Amino acid sequence: GDSVTQMEGPVTLSEEAFLTINCTYTATGYPSLFWYVQYPGEGLQLLLKATKADDKGSNKGFEATYRKETTSFHLEKGSVQVSDSAVYFCALRAGGGADGLTFGKGTHLIIQP
Amino acid sequence: DAGITQSPRHKVTETGTPVTLRCHQTENHRYMYWYRQDPGHGLRLIHYSYGVKDTDKGEVSDGYSVSRSKTEDFLLTLESATSSQTSVYFCAISPRADKDEQFFGPGTRLTVL
Repeated sequence: GDSVTQMEGPVTLSEEAFLTINCTYTATGYPSLFWYVQYPGEGLQLLLKATKADDKGSNKGFEATYRKETTSFHLEKGSVQVSDSAVYFCALRAGGGADGLTFGKGTHLIIQP
Repeated sequence: DAGITQSPRHKVTETGTPVTLRCHQTENHRYMYWYRQDPGHGLRLIHYSYGVKDTDKGEVSDGYSVSRSKTEDFLLTLESATSSQTSVYFCAISPRADKDEQFFGPGTRLTVL
């Protein structure tokens, strides 16, 4: 079946550091890929997405590129802020029906001032 | 933000009691989903709906039932709650099937004693 693997953390960085959160996937066909962010006590918000190979999703300084050859969708940001502290989820949707997203276990990111 | 509300937001109940969680949307989206979030597991799909009175099982459906009598409401019922169902429950909606993103509600924290 479909699966998503991501580093679980916690990942602790200093403010203004470069961020990479790795995400790899296994899926049949050509899934859409997503990054969601969850701030404490809140639901999940869509951060960015990519729907086909070589697409780059971007939002709020975050970027991720759909790499079909390495089945990866790594999240990056050039300079993190304290306000980026949250849990980040990589997810895929393989399509072909109305069923749900397949999520990774989430990466807890802590940014220290 | 997508118009999704969940009620109650917090609930404590005892083993063996029935519990119903409600998801209400104002977006008129056809597809609705229930997930549970547990540490070390990310989010896992419980049930989903692809229209009024049309529902199907997800990955972790045992012990749960759902109903959808109106487009805007999707109910999740635990017929006889168990401690293993202590979790945070999220509702999500999507305007289309296939590979589209989903939008999440704020969640319900359920504790079964």
